[in-house]
This record gives sequence, structure tokens and C-alpha cells, in this order.
Amino acid sequence: GESVGLHLPTLSVQEGDNSIINCAYSNSASDYFIWYKQESGKGPQFIIDIRSNMDKRQGQRVTVLLNKTVKHLSLQIAATQPGDSAVYFCAEKASTLTFGKGTMLLVSP
Amino acid sequence: DAGVTQSPTHLIKTRGQQVTLRCSPKSGHDTVSWYQQALGQGPQFIFQYYEEEERQRGNFPDRFSGHQFPNYSSELNVNALLLGDSALYLCASSRGSGANEKLFFGSGTQLSVL
Repeated sequence: GESVGLHLPTLSVQEGDNSIINCAYSNSASDYFIWYKQESGKGPQFIIDIRSNMDKRQGQRVTVLLNKTVKHLSLQIAATQPGDSAVYFCAEKASTLTFGKGTMLLVSP
Repeated sequence: DAGVTQSPTHLIKTRGQQVTLRCSPKSGHDTVSWYQQALGQGPQFIFQYYEEEERQRGNFPDRFSGHQFPNYSSELNVNALLLGDSALYLCASSRGSGANEKLFFGSGTQLSVL
């Protein structure tokens, strides 16, 4: 079946570093992609999205890159802060929103 | 402006029982989706309600049912609970049921089945 997966289950970085979280997707029909951040005890929080007609989109300290050729999505977080520590999910949407398993980002002060 | 609200926050049931979870969407939103999130996993789509009808459904058995009310709030019902139904149940709302509508999530209901 179609699925969305992440390469790294845990990413540890130092405060101030740039973080990159990767995601592979397999549904070629997906045309909309979203990154969510989930902190303990909370629901997923929208970070940034990108449509399939784009290959890059920037937000505040975050950038999403989409490579449709290799079905790869990445989230870049600039100047990572301890408050960025959370589980990050990529999600793809064809008919419904499908989430990957998540990557835990740990930021050390 | 209240976001997506869910109740209760925590619930403990025993096998075979039935449970009802509730969700109020974000102001201005008319579409509600329900997700099940097992520990350490990403959320799994259960179903979506729009205009008081189930519009899409994921791979969940008929024991999972729902309802949407005229004020856009929604309920998720699970019958004949199994131990494996223990999970965080998330409600998400959006404006419209279009393909590229942003979903906003509530904090979820943690269901434990003993």
C-alpha cells in the first residue's frame, strides 16, 4: 500500500544548529504535503505546507523542500532552539491525509 | 478564538464497552476529521465529516462510527471496545473538504481500554 516514512527516528542537535528532517513518500498521486510538530500531550501543530507544483517554500525559520523525482520531502529548521524539541511528522494528501511515523528532534542547550 | 476542542481529555474503559468522544471544530471550520494515534506512531485517518455526512473513511471497522451536528461539532463512537483500541484519538477541523485544506488538530482524547 501507499505509505509515508521517515529515514531517521531520532535527531539530536545543539542549540543554534540547523536541523534537517527527511521524509520519503510513495504515493505519486499525492499533491499536497504538510509538516506537523507534536509536543508531548498535545495534538499535531501545523508548521508549513507545500503543494506539488512547488519545490521549495519558506516560513519563519523553517523551509520545506520537495523533490518529486525521488519522492522526498525535507524540513529545515534554522537556528534550532530547545523549544523546537518535539516529534515531527510529514504528511501527504491524495484523497486523505496520511502521516509518516515521525522523527523525534532533541535540542540540547 | 478557540481552536479545536475535544472532550474528555482522558478516558478509561473495559473491553466490550462503548465510548463516545466529542469534538468542537475551530471557529469558521465546517469539516471534521478523526484520527487514531497509537503510541509511537503517526495518526491514522478514521473518517471525515462534512455537511453532516461521512465523506471519506479510512481502514477502520464498522465498530467505529461518527456523527456531525448542524453546528459542525462531531462525535466519534466506538462499540465493543478491544484492548487494541487504546490510543490517542485526535480530531482535526478544516474549512471545506477540499484536497488542500489545512487541518488544525485538537489535543486529543487519551483512551485506555483495560
